[in-house]
Amino acid sequence: DAGVTQSPTHLIKTRGQQVTLRCSPKSGHDTVSWYQQALGQGPQFIFQYYEEEERQRGNFPDRFSGHQFPNYSSELNVNALLLGDSALYLCASSLMASGTDTQYFGPGTRLTVL
Amino acid sequence: QQQVKQSPQSLIVQKGGISIINCAYENTAFDYFPWYQQFPGKGPALLIAIRPDVSEKKEGRFTISFNKSAKQFSLHIMDSQPGDSATYFCAANSLGADKLIFGTGTRLQVFP
Repeated sequence: DAGVTQSPTHLIKTRGQQVTLRCSPKSGHDTVSWYQQALGQGPQFIFQYYEEEERQRGNFPDRFSGHQFPNYSSELNVNALLLGDSALYLCASSLMASGTDTQYFGPGTRLTVL
Repeated sequence: QQQVKQSPQSLIVQKGGISIINCAYENTAFDYFPWYQQFPGKGPALLIAIRPDVSEKKEGRFTISFNKSAKQFSLHIMDSQPGDSATYFCAANSLGADKLIFGTGTRLQVFP
């Protein structure tokens, strides 16, 4: 039973560039949430996708956008990168029918913005 | 009101001892309280979770104690082992909110 997978593992970008991160949910899950975890902090909710639509959004600017595909996988896009966007980006999956409280996290993508 | 406050920031425990991490919240709409364990370079792993209809939940060496009136909950790790050394996060969620609100984390070190 495959868990949540994310790619790439690490990424280095420069200010102003754009980045796309990818996530495949745990087998049987249909909902994907994205979180940003700055060094030494707890994860912060970015947004959640279900049925290919954004259901809820945290306090993040429009530079952060996402997409969910028919196979439930998801992408996180960040435009016009800032130094402050350097963080571990986590994807979590859940099953809507059983409530989305129980979320399982992937290993994350470490983004460094220079 | 959306915050979850976690303490202590770091904790050092001897092998075999009890590790206790505390969290407090303000939002009375929260109805799901999970604890996550995170090792360096890894994503958070769900450890144990509780809902407010019970005051305690135990799974192996891990126990959550929940005090609804005080709006506090805590994680107890019995017989702490060096392999338990990690960062622990409490979190909270409210029905239909879909997003987990995390505490700031506690770095636990268990020495042999």
